[in-house]
Amino acid sequence: EIVLTQSPATLSLSPGERATLSCRASQRISSGLAWYQQKPGQAPRLLISDAANRATDIPARFTGSGSETDFTLTITTLAPEDSAVYYCHQRYNWRSTFGQGTRLEIK
Amino acid sequence: EVLLVESGGGLVKPGGSLRLSCQASGFTFRKFDMNWVRQAPGKGLEWVSSVTTDSSYIAYADSVMGRFTISRDDANNSMYLEMNSLRDEDTAVYYCARGVKHFDYWGRGTLVTVSS
Repeated sequence: EIVLTQSPATLSLSPGERATLSCRASQRISSGLAWYQQKPGQAPRLLISDAANRATDIPARFTGSGSETDFTLTITTLAPEDSAVYYCHQRYNWRSTFGQGTRLEIK
Repeated sequence: EVLLVESGGGLVKPGGSLRLSCQASGFTFRKFDMNWVRQAPGKGLEWVSSVTTDSSYIAYADSVMGRFTISRDDANNSMYLEMNSLRDEDTAVYYCARGVKHFDYWGRGTLVTVSS
């Protein structure tokens, strides 16, 4: 099973700052990584697919990068509505795993 | 508009069974892999099971292997999760989600509570 490890567990930043979230895979997965945002009481929402492709209607300040084992989600110019838990996700040989999540708090 | 609506959740005793449904609309259901993902209260996301188009391949998480069965009915745009021998640790919101390498649409989830 491919394990995804996210860091940090919690991030507390102010509006207008930049957030950098990390996801590390236990095996090489090429560009097969996605990022999701989940707000309380809501279903997850796809942000980024294939490591760097922004999903429909996702603002340009959300950027994904990386390959193989190291991936990053960068959120520039943070807004209050970005407060959420962010998960990375991979699917290899039809089996999926999720990272444990990074909680982003906007002060 | 793509819509996924889960149903069938509820309260069940340990060792009991439950069948979840996911009704899809707004897209050509038979052309997409489908998935179940769950989230225990206050915890992160856990992949449960996936079924490819035409049910040609099915996969399960180790935690549910042998107890849960995924299926789909393309004629009725529906996916199912038959859950047997339920345990306390199966308590979670169960989401259905569309996609192969990434899950682009999700339902709102249905809550399954396993408790005596």
